Amino acid sequence: EDQVTQSPEALRLQEGESSSLNCSYTVSGLRGLFWYRQDPGKGPEFLFTLYSAGEEKEKERLKATLTKKESFLHITAPKPEDSATYLCAVVYPTGTASKLTFGTGTRLQVTL
Amino acid sequence: DGGITQSPKYLFRKEGQNVTLSCEQNLNHDAMYWYRQDPGQGLRLIYYSQIVNDFQKGDIAEGYSVSREKKESFPLTVTSAQKNPTAFYLCASSVDRYYGYTFGSGTRLTVV
Repeated sequence: EDQVTQSPEALRLQEGESSSLNCSYTVSGLRGLFWYRQDPGKGPEFLFTLYSAGEEKEKERLKATLTKKESFLHITAPKPEDSATYLCAVVYPTGTASKLTFGTGTRLQVTL
Repeated sequence: DGGITQSPKYLFRKEGQNVTLSCEQNLNHDAMYWYRQDPGQGLRLIYYSQIVNDFQKGDIAEGYSVSREKKESFPLTVTSAQKNPTAFYLCASSVDRYYGYTFGSGTRLTVV
């Protein structure tokens, strides 16, 4: 079963139109949730790490929040340069070890 | 500037041939990873190494091999046993096993 699900798969916004991306997870004992930005043909770039429910992190027009079941990446007044694929990943315990699993991403397009 | 360098950016392989993808980092990170990215799927772990001369299989290691003779280098060989090698390959490194990944810019491998 999917441990990490991102929605929507794709999102098209006009410049200035705020919205949120969702990352829901079904793992137990979350040890960390990460957000990355990936531009076409490039490697992911780290944005945020969240560890516990209620935690929030901000960077420019982006704000990441975490609950016990999901994380949101809020984009306020987006600009065309915010267009990218946004990935989330979770770390969770598996027996005596841990595992890192990535979601499939949300492709964001911001138009003028 | 510190970072991860992957080469080549594009690689074409004939069926039946082995190819090696290069990954070099100057971040002084102990841990290094290889991921495969396919459309509509999350990043999948091929191999990882937490220390020189030691590496572990990830979720999809069949048809791949790695070496870690130097801290800075973690080359990936895609062998002829890999049945569907066409994909985007990403190398990453980190200080700790799951946290603070830095990704390279990727190598796109195409089998012709």
